[in-house]
Formats: sequence, structure tokens, C-alpha cells
Amino acid sequence: DIQLTQSPSFLSASVGDRVTITCRASQGITSYLAWYQQKPGKAPKLLIYAASTLHSGVPTRFSGSGSGTEFTLTISSLQPEDFATYYCQQLNSYPLITFGQGTRLEIK
Amino acid sequence: EVQLVQSGAEVKKPGESLKMSCKGSGYDFTNYWIGWVRQRPGTGLESMGIIQPGDSDTRYSPSFQGQVTISADKSISTAYLQWSSLKASDSAVYYCARLVFGLGSRPHGMDVWGRGTTVTVSS
Repeated sequence: DIQLTQSPSFLSASVGDRVTITCRASQGITSYLAWYQQKPGKAPKLLIYAASTLHSGVPTRFSGSGSGTEFTLTISSLQPEDFATYYCQQLNSYPLITFGQGTRLEIK
Repeated sequence: EVQLVQSGAEVKKPGESLKMSCKGSGYDFTNYWIGWVRQRPGTGLESMGIIQPGDSDTRYSPSFQGQVTISADKSISTAYLQWSSLKASDSAVYYCARLVFGLGSRPHGMDVWGRGTTVTVSS
């Protein structure tokens, strides 16, 4: 199985900050990586797919990069509504799809 | 509007059976694979398996093979997740989600999600 490790697991930041979350895969997954945002009590929302493509309707302050085994999600200027938990997901080994353990982003 | 509507919350006893549903609307249900995702309280997301409603081709993640059954009825645009004998450890929120593909043979992600079905298993 391909394992995804996110870092950090917890992040405290302020409105306006630039933050980066990293997702490392245990083996190469080309660019079959997606990022999701989940707020408490809600379903996850797709933010980015194919490592760097912004999903429709997602604000441009979100961006993704990487390929192979290392990927990043960057939020250029944190907004109050961005405080949530973020997950990466690999689809390279489809139909075996796996998620990272999540990164909780909280207000400092 | 494209949406997936999931059945309501369930409270069950250990050993009981359960079948939950996920009904798609606003798009051709048979053109997209549907995935099921588990989220235990306070933990992350786990992919359980996927199904192609058009021909019911089903693939299970190893951890869930033999533990649950995924099925679909394309005539009513509905996918199902069922258990024959629940355990306390099955208590979780279960989401269905639509897989979206690009030009390649692998999906890009899950672009439409249901609101989730909460299952509580307790004696």
C-alpha cells in the first residue's frame, strides 16, 4: 500500500499568514494527488487535483505543487474561513485510494 | 444541481445488519464511479471501496474486503453500503463521493460528496 504522511499534523497560524502543508508518499505517485478541506461536521471538499489544478470555485489563494513523492498545499493569505483540517489523497494506485492522516489548521 | 443524498443516521446494536444508501441526481449516475469513505470519531478519512453503478464493477480496499458489501441499483441512481453483522468499531460517519476522471485511466479526485451518514453501534 502507498502511505501518505502529512506534515505538520497541527498548525497554528494567523489571518493573513502564508502556510504550507507537505504530503509525502511512500513511493512515487506521479501527479495523482488531490487535496481536500474539511470543516467540523461537514463533508470534505475538493480543493486541488492532479497535484496543482485548482478545482472549480476554489479561491486562487490555494495552490498545489509537486510530483513523484513530495507535494505541497499552500494558502497564500489565510482567511478566517480557511481554518479547517486538510487531507491529501493519492489515486495513483487506483482502485486502492489512500488519504494522508490530516493537518489541522487552527487560529493562533 | 449535482448532488449525492445519503440516508439518515442509524443507531444499531452489535450483531445487527445495516444497509445505507447514496442517491445521485443532476448527472448521469452510470458515468461516474462512486466511492465510500469512513471517518471514525476524531480521526481521518479511510477509503473503503468503489463501485461503477453502470455495471456494478466493485473494488474494495484490503482493510474492508469481506467486512462490508458495496452495491448499486442504476435504475434508481443509488449506491449502497451494507453490513451483515455490525461491531462497535463500525461506529463512524460514512460518506459517499463521486470520482472524477480526466483523460487518463486514473481518477483525479472526489468532486461531489454526500453529507455523510452517522452510524452508532452500541449495546
